[in-house]
Amino acid sequence: GQQVMQIPQYQHVQEGEDFTTYCNSSTTLSNIQWYKQRPGGHPVFLIQLVKSGEVKKQKRLTFQFGEAKKNSSLHITATQTTDVGTYFCAATNTGFQKLVFGTGTRLLVSP
Amino acid sequence: DAGVIQSPRHEVTEMGQEVTLRCKPISGHDYLFWYRQTMMRGLELLIYFNNNVPIDDSGMPEDRFSAKMPNASFSTLKIQPSEPRDSAVYFCASSFSGTKVYGYTFGSGTRLTVV
Repeated sequence: GQQVMQIPQYQHVQEGEDFTTYCNSSTTLSNIQWYKQRPGGHPVFLIQLVKSGEVKKQKRLTFQFGEAKKNSSLHITATQTTDVGTYFCAATNTGFQKLVFGTGTRLLVSP
Repeated sequence: DAGVIQSPRHEVTEMGQEVTLRCKPISGHDYLFWYRQTMMRGLELLIYFNNNVPIDDSGMPEDRFSAKMPNASFSTLKIQPSEPRDSAVYFCASSFSGTKVYGYTFGSGTRLTVV
């Protein structure tokens, strides 16, 4: 079945440093979504990317979809302690409604 | 809207007992999903429904697991009999297909511990 891999699995940064997580698939994706899960919480939808090469920004967060629609990245500029959590990409190649979640990147930010 | 509502929040049960998890999706959403989250396996899709009809249950681990959606506002996930390896956080999520953005809204989850 479809698999979506994320790297790194874990990253510990100092507040103010940048952070990037990468999502990779062996198959072409219809769309990719990103979610954030705070410790002890549930995944919360952040954004959806559909077009090849698409770039979207939400304040300090920048999301990118690869030209071949097989990879994506999430970049956080100047991390804050509120950014702590696990970031998941989720993708589908069989229609919009069956998402396969990536393995997640756990971010820890020290003040 | 109160969001996706799951109950109970926590469940501790003995091996062999029946466990029923409940979910109320967001009103108007036509898709409902059940996921299981563990450290080892991450977020796994168990089953999903469209307009109350099960579409894909290929993720249901065994015959001990069953899910129903009798109406648009209620779904259950049942495990009978439960085993310690079923211990996990079970999430219900819903989404609406009549929009270009298909983000899921997750419930707060049910943390199941089978002892």
